[in-house]
Amino acid sequence: DAGVIQSPRHEVTEMGQEVTLRCKPISGHNSLFWYRQTMMRGLELLIYFNNNVPIDDSGMPEDRFSAKMPNASFSTLKIQPSEPRDSAVYFCASSLETGGSDTQYFGPGTRLTVL
Amino acid sequence: DAKTTQPTSMDCAEGRAANLPCNHSTISGNEYVYWYRQIHSQGPQYIIHGLKNNETNEMASLIITEDRKSSTLILPHATLRDTAVYYCIVRVAEYGNKLVFGAGTILRVKS
Repeated sequence: DAGVIQSPRHEVTEMGQEVTLRCKPISGHNSLFWYRQTMMRGLELLIYFNNNVPIDDSGMPEDRFSAKMPNASFSTLKIQPSEPRDSAVYFCASSLETGGSDTQYFGPGTRLTVL
Repeated sequence: DAKTTQPTSMDCAEGRAANLPCNHSTISGNEYVYWYRQIHSQGPQYIIHGLKNNETNEMASLIITEDRKSSTLILPHATLRDTAVYYCIVRVAEYGNKLVFGAGTILRVKS
């Protein structure tokens, strides 16, 4: 079975450029999460979707970040304009939420470097 | 969410059992204990979770004390590939409840 798929795996860009990260969740899952990992802050949740609807975006750092989920099989995280402090590994995770003890499954991550 | 306390690092000999402790003294009755691990440069990997009973799967066993204030993750026969950061997380099982990752325990399996 395919797990969570993320692309690209690595992205190097210059400050001020737009960056788009992509995620394909596990088929049948109804929830999707975007996390960011840095040495300073560890792993932190950015935004959570349930049934394609953004439910909690309190972790999104600022207006430069936006996320969409146009359908159940695709989500994007966009940074515009990018800044060097956005350099991090971005993980997408998905789960089948039933209100019980669901499990989040993570993708391999996108390593973003902003020069 | 209740917070957890884990040792910063542990060593384990290859082939031996690795026992990773976690304290969660303020855990609530409806909070589950989850364990994830992160191998270098990979995404976090789910290992196991439980509420109050001990649990076992193909990867590990989870032992939760009767008062639920602590737990131990057991990897029965550690291999070099088990070298990773192990995260113990307590979480209420409700919609959208995020995983809050602490610093975790760095487990080094040595030959």
